[in-house]
Amino acid sequence: DVKVTQSSRYLVKRTGEKVFLECVQDMDHENMFWYRQDPGLGLRLIYFSYDVKMKEKGDIPEGYSVSREKKERFSLILESASTNQTSMYLCASSGTAGSSANEKLFFGSGTQLSVL
Amino acid sequence: AQSVSQHNHHVILSEAASLELGCNYSYGGTVNLFWYVQYPGQHLQLLLKYFSGDPLVKGIKGFEAEFIKSKFSFNLRKPSVQWSDTAEYFCAVGAYTGFQKLVFGTGTRLLVSP
Repeated sequence: DVKVTQSSRYLVKRTGEKVFLECVQDMDHENMFWYRQDPGLGLRLIYFSYDVKMKEKGDIPEGYSVSREKKERFSLILESASTNQTSMYLCASSGTAGSSANEKLFFGSGTQLSVL
Repeated sequence: AQSVSQHNHHVILSEAASLELGCNYSYGGTVNLFWYVQYPGQHLQLLLKYFSGDPLVKGIKGFEAEFIKSKFSFNLRKPSVQWSDTAEYFCAVGAYTGFQKLVFGTGTRLLVSP
C-alpha cells in the first residue's frame, strides 16, 4: 500500500529555533509537496519538488526552505520558527507522468507544529 | 492564478439527509477538479476527480460530483449521508503541468448526527 510518512505527529518548538520536518515516501514518486493546513484557510502550498535536488516555490514560501537530496525524502525547514508558523504541515507525493499515480496526491498524516 | 471557493464552512445534517457541497473555481484554462476528504484522525484521501468526458463523476462511498463548465462549479453530492461521512471535505483545482499542482478550497466540515 502507498505510504507517505511524516517523522513526527506533534512538535513543540520555541521561537527562533531551526525546525526540520521530514517526509519519506516509499512509492518511488517523482513529485513531492509540502502544504500547511489552517482552520478556515484550507491547504496552502509551500514548496514542491518534481525531481531530486529540484524545488519550486508554492504560494506561501516565505520563512521556509526545502531540501530533496534523495528521491524518497523531502524536508521542510523553518530557518527561524515564528509563532505564525504554528500549523498542521502536510506532505504529499505523486507519481510519474502518465501513470495513475500521477493523477492524485498521496498525503501523509501530518505534523502539528506549535511554536511558542 | 487559480482559486477555489467553498461556500459552506460548516454543515450539519441528520443521517439519511441529502448532501450538496458547493465548489466554484476561477481559472482561464483547462482544469482538473478534485474532491478530497479528511476523516477525523486520518490523512487526506481522494474522493473523486474530473479530468474530461462525462461531467458527472462518481467517487467512493456513494459520492458524486457534477462539473458545470458555464458556472465554473464542481459541486459534491450524496443522496443519503451516513454518520461515517462526518469529515472535512476539500475541493481542489489543478492545471496539469506534468503533475497535479493543486489549489485547495478552504474546506467544509460536515457533521452527520445519528
